[in-house]
Amino acid sequence: ELKVEQNPLFLSMQEGKNYTIYCNYSTTSDRLYWYRQDPGKSLESLFVLLSNGAVKQEGRLMASLDTKARLSTLHITAAVHDLSATYFCAVDPGSGGSNYKLTFGKGTLLTVNP
Amino acid sequence: DAMVIQNPRYQVTQFGKPVTLSCSQTLNHNVMYWYQQKSSQAPKLLFHYYDKDFNNEADTPDNFQSRRPNTSFCFLDIRSPGLGDAAMYLCATSGVTRGLYYGYTFGSGTRLTVV
Repeated sequence: ELKVEQNPLFLSMQEGKNYTIYCNYSTTSDRLYWYRQDPGKSLESLFVLLSNGAVKQEGRLMASLDTKARLSTLHITAAVHDLSATYFCAVDPGSGGSNYKLTFGKGTLLTVNP
Repeated sequence: DAMVIQNPRYQVTQFGKPVTLSCSQTLNHNVMYWYQQKSSQAPKLLFHYYDKDFNNEADTPDNFQSRRPNTSFCFLDIRSPGLGDAAMYLCATSGVTRGLYYGYTFGSGTRLTVV
């Protein structure tokens, strides 16, 4: 059974600070996804990482994937209040057929304080 | 130009009264998923259709059923909703077309309240 672990689960940051959210997973995969979720809303796709060493950046967020370590990171640079949300990583085994399905980590609730 | 459309956005149902949630897609993706997300929890996969093949997760209660009459539509039926079934229900699609892999597209969700 695929397991996806995120840490920390709760993160309170000051504006302007940097921090990293970690996502570990238990099986071989080169398909990792990061989502943002605001309260009461659906999931917003942030990054799709499809190969070892993939790095993607959008604004103050940067995501990377190390498939050998089974680890992805989401780095936040100079946090601003608008980044406050819950962030989920999710993994797809990618072995085809009915195995195309996402397993989510528990999520990281990020609060950015002035 | 919404690509995965869920109706309704909010649904209130009575305890024990059957309810159906619907999902449609304009992406022509061959895989459709239903996730359940309870408050402050991660989305949990209930089942998915790979084309017409139904794939149930082992721990999905029998109270939950699904139908996919064609590529574009998928329904979630809850036969006898209990208070514990109150949640956000998310529909998603994914597909591989002519060797190109398309990631996952989520709908806006249906928030189900059981009274």
